[in-house]
Amino acid sequence: NAGVTQTPKFQVLKTGQSMTLQCAQDMNHNSMYWYRQDPGMGLRLIYYSASEGTTDKGEVPNGYNVSRLNKREFSLRLESAAPSQTSVYFCASSDAGMDQPQHFGDGTRLSIL
Amino acid sequence: DQQVKQNSPSLSVQEGRISILNCDYTNSMFDYFLWYKKYPAEGPTFLISISSIKDKNEDGRFTVFLNKSAKHLSLHIVPSQPGDSAVYFCAASERNTPLVFGKGTRLSVIA
Repeated sequence: NAGVTQTPKFQVLKTGQSMTLQCAQDMNHNSMYWYRQDPGMGLRLIYYSASEGTTDKGEVPNGYNVSRLNKREFSLRLESAAPSQTSVYFCASSDAGMDQPQHFGDGTRLSIL
Repeated sequence: DQQVKQNSPSLSVQEGRISILNCDYTNSMFDYFLWYKKYPAEGPTFLISISSIKDKNEDGRFTVFLNKSAKHLSLHIVPSQPGDSAVYFCAASERNTPLVFGKGTRLSVIA
């Protein structure tokens, strides 16, 4: 049972490069999320998708775009990476409402030079 | 404005003793509260939750207490074990809105 799978696990980019982080879940969950975790900042919501076909901004959406490709997949795109986007990115999913426990992937560690 | 606050960045406890992790919130509309545990290089994992209609929820060694008048919740771990050493995140939500997370507390259980 894979749960939430994120690819890649690590990535180094140069400033200005673009990148798409992939996320897939096999639990048939309706809602999916992207977070970033920075030292001393906890988990901050970037974007979320309450259901297939919908996306909404979270707390820190600037510099990112998302696509809910289908019920399973939710990707996060950095169009022009900046050093301030160096972080660990987590994808999560939940069933039966966004206030329910979320299942997280193991993260993508992204460094932007 | 931080809606969910974990004011202790770290906590050290001896093995076998009780660990108490605290969390405060400011939004009186929050009606569902959760605790997550995170090991290094892994994603957070759900630990325990509590609805605002309750003041206590217990699951094995883990108990969460909710004091709505004080807008405060706590996680008790008894007895603490070395494997409990991790970062613990408190989270809260209003009905059908995304979770809001605190900044986390790093628990170290010393053998």
